[in-house]
Amino acid sequence: GDSVTQMEGPVTLSEEAFLTINCTYTATGYPSLFWYVQYPGEGLQLLLKATKADDKGSNKGFEATYRKETTSFHLEKGSVQVSDSAVYFCALSMDFGNEKLTFGTGTRLTIIP
Amino acid sequence: NAGVTQTPKFQVLKTGQSMTLQCAQDMNHEYMSWYRQDPGMGLRLIHYSVGAGITDQGEVPNGYNVSRSTTEDFPLRLLSAAPSQTSVYFCASSKSYRQGVNYEQYFGPGTRLTVT
Repeated sequence: GDSVTQMEGPVTLSEEAFLTINCTYTATGYPSLFWYVQYPGEGLQLLLKATKADDKGSNKGFEATYRKETTSFHLEKGSVQVSDSAVYFCALSMDFGNEKLTFGTGTRLTIIP
Repeated sequence: NAGVTQTPKFQVLKTGQSMTLQCAQDMNHEYMSWYRQDPGMGLRLIHYSVGAGITDQGEVPNGYNVSRSTTEDFPLRLLSAAPSQTSVYFCASSKSYRQGVNYEQYFGPGTRLTVT
């Protein structure tokens, strides 16, 4: 079945460091891809998405590019802030819309001042 | 708008007890769903609904019942709780469920359930 594999955590970085969180997927067709963020004590929020190959999703300084050839959707940010500390989930949907999401295990990110 | 609300925030049950986790949204969303979040496993879909009166099973439906009598509410029922149901439960909603259309899902804050 469809699955998402995420970089193991936790990840600890200093403020202003460069961030990469790896995400690869396995799917029988061409999924839509998403990154969700969960801040402490809150539910998940959509961070960015891409619906077809070579699309780049971006939001709040984060970016991810849908790479069909490597089945990847790595999350990047050039300069992280303490406020970026959260758990990040990569997810896919085969239903064109983002219903019935398949999630990765999540990566906990901690940014230290 | 309150968005997606869930009650209770925390609950402790004994094995065999029953309870209902409440979920409500005030955005007139057609699509609602329930996920459970377990350490090292991400979120897994339990049940979903594409509109009032219509529900279907997700990836891990065993031990859970749902119904959707109104657009706003989508309760999740545990008829006989088991320790394996200890988890954090999230409800989510989105505007619609249409092939070829992308609508954002909105998640509630979660209910942390412990079954002893």
